Amino acid sequence: TQLLEQSPQFLSIQEGENLTVYCNSSSVFSSLQWYRQEPGEGPVLLVTVVTGGEVKKLKRLTFQFGDARKDSSLHITAAQTGDTGLYLCAARRSNDYKLSFGAGTTVTVRA
Amino acid sequence: DSGVTQTPKHLITATGQRVTLRCSPRSGDLSVYWYQQSLDQGLQFLIQYYNGEERAKGNILERFSAQQFPDLHSELNLSSLELGDSALYFCASSEVQGSYGYTFGSGTRLTVV
Repeated sequence: TQLLEQSPQFLSIQEGENLTVYCNSSSVFSSLQWYRQEPGEGPVLLVTVVTGGEVKKLKRLTFQFGDARKDSSLHITAAQTGDTGLYLCAARRSNDYKLSFGAGTTVTVRA
Repeated sequence: DSGVTQTPKHLITATGQRVTLRCSPRSGDLSVYWYQQSLDQGLQFLIQYYNGEERAKGNILERFSAQQFPDLHSELNLSSLELGDSALYFCASSEVQGSYGYTFGSGTRLTVV
């Protein structure tokens, strides 16, 4: 079983619509990261959230870390075609060196 | 350009062969991580090196090995290759722990035929 469960697996929306991607686990994390990956490229770090309940905004992207530090969400407002990509959440348990990734959500924004 | 350099970008080889993938970390980063990405398994952690020493191991096969050299570049060696080893192999680097994120290279696409 995956340490991090992402949903939905695929998301296709029209330009201008909003979307939310979820990342859930039964484990508690000291921090959680979101990455975006485009075809043929490596993942690019978008944000790191550290404190339970934390909300971070990056232009039209809003990231939230759950109060219990077990889950996170990524909300995109007024999506643009440039937001198309694979969104990955990643986290490390406090006693683990390994950074584990969720399976990802493939987001397609249609013009 | 992320600052993490991986070579080669593409590699096609036959089953049973051995290949070496190379990674130069971002300047100043001491930790190097190797990940394998396939369609059905997602991004899977293979191994981490910190300043030349192995720090953590994931589900890395015995046919695979890695090392980090004094100049901090790293190599991932894959031997006795099988069709199922075809995947994207990514290297990432970070400062000591990587608690605030990793910087990934563009990957090496390995195709075993």
